[in-house]
Amino acid sequence: QAVVTQEPSLTVSPGGTVTLTCGSTSGDVTFGHYPYWFQQKPGQAPRTLIYDARNKHSWTPARFSGSLLGGKAALTLSGAQPEDEADYYCLLSYPGAGVFGGGTKLTVL
Amino acid sequence: QVHLVQSGAEVKKPGASVKVSCKASGYTLSGYYMHWVRQAPGQGLEWMGWINPYNGVTNYAQKFQGRVTMTRDTSISTAYLELSRLRSDDTAVYYCARQSSSAHDFFFDPWGQGTLVTVSS
Repeated sequence: QAVVTQEPSLTVSPGGTVTLTCGSTSGDVTFGHYPYWFQQKPGQAPRTLIYDARNKHSWTPARFSGSLLGGKAALTLSGAQPEDEADYYCLLSYPGAGVFGGGTKLTVL
Repeated sequence: QVHLVQSGAEVKKPGASVKVSCKASGYTLSGYYMHWVRQAPGQGLEWMGWINPYNGVTNYAQKFQGRVTMTRDTSISTAYLELSRLRSDDTAVYYCARQSSSAHDFFFDPWGQGTLVTVSS
């Protein structure tokens, strides 16, 4: 089974821009993986941010956007806010299964 | 309003089984697939599988096949996750999550609050 890779940690300044990526050991990430992004804050259940690589949930702030970039799925945060400090997980869809990445701890500092 | 409320924390001995419940409110359980995801302490998320509450069909992640059983009781709007032959590395928070779109397999909304299962001798 493929392993889904993410940066373990990233730091962004308030108001800054950062891109989190999501790769697959089985090859390029494509729209066929229907990439998902989830946000999880300490002590809370995760929440869906992005589905199908770039579609936003109704609650997803406009400063978040999803894309495919260089064979990976990407989550870009433009204009980071302190409340965006959280863990971010991607999930890729494979035949009959979903596989989460290890998560990226995003610090806004 | 759509809610998923899970059962309380459990402590189990290695080799035992645990059954976690997830009660749905605000919608009809049989109308949406239910997934289960777990998270070991300080670790990432792990997808375990889903159940179609309409007909009871299940799909389990390969890692858990043979140890996991997902069931439902539509009369009380509740889905269940049972994990057998527990090991210490099964210690985790277990979440149920509704697949809110038939077109998007892992579009989860909402999630339950999570149930901590601790496996310890």
